[in-house]
Amino acid sequence: GGIITQTPKFLIGQEGQKLTLKCQQNFNHDTMYWYRQDSGKGLRLIYYSITENDLQKGDLSEGYDASREKKSSFSLTVTSAQKNEMAVFLCASSNRAGTEVFFGKGTRLTVV
Amino acid sequence: GDSVTQTEGLVTLTEGLPVMLNCTYQSTYSPFLFWYVQHLNEAPKLLLKSFTDNKRPEHQGFHATLHKSSSSFHLQKSSAQLSDSALYYCALSFFHQGGSAKLIFGEGTKLTVSS
Repeated sequence: GGIITQTPKFLIGQEGQKLTLKCQQNFNHDTMYWYRQDSGKGLRLIYYSITENDLQKGDLSEGYDASREKKSSFSLTVTSAQKNEMAVFLCASSNRAGTEVFFGKGTRLTVV
Repeated sequence: GDSVTQTEGLVTLTEGLPVMLNCTYQSTYSPFLFWYVQHLNEAPKLLLKSFTDNKRPEHQGFHATLHKSSSSFHLQKSSAQLSDSALYYCALSFFHQGGSAKLIFGEGTKLTVSS
């Protein structure tokens, strides 16, 4: 079976720092996603990508950049970390129809 | 715009009682609907997804019926178990520009089952 690997599992950064989260999948899926998970607010879409070098903004893209360097990898950059964005960031991948979706275990971001 | 609404943030039940978690949606397309379950410190996993042929999906004792007339996809189980305690997300997907799916999630319902 396939797997989605997110690195690092825990990320501690200083306020104002630029931070990068990485995600790799071996499902050969076309589409990859970045979600932010906050307690009581569900999973909010930050960015998604339907193919290599493609980027689509989600509802929460402000303050973030993303990069789909190749089909198997999708990176998310927090451009200037803020204390109010401490959360778990989840990466997912899916087939083109969106009927088969798998998630990584997440990166927990702490801003000090 | 397209959205998913889960009205209960927290549901607390005694083991053996029936479970019903609400999910309604808005979409300009004909979406697929899903239920995902996330146990503590684990990744969300697919629990159920809707079919296009009106079959009722079932898994691990849970079932859900897509009602297009009321835009609902409520999750049900006849008898709750302690191991059902988890965070449940309702989600929809639809084809977006470029011919790929966009996934939208509800706010989640935390189910706690006690003995």
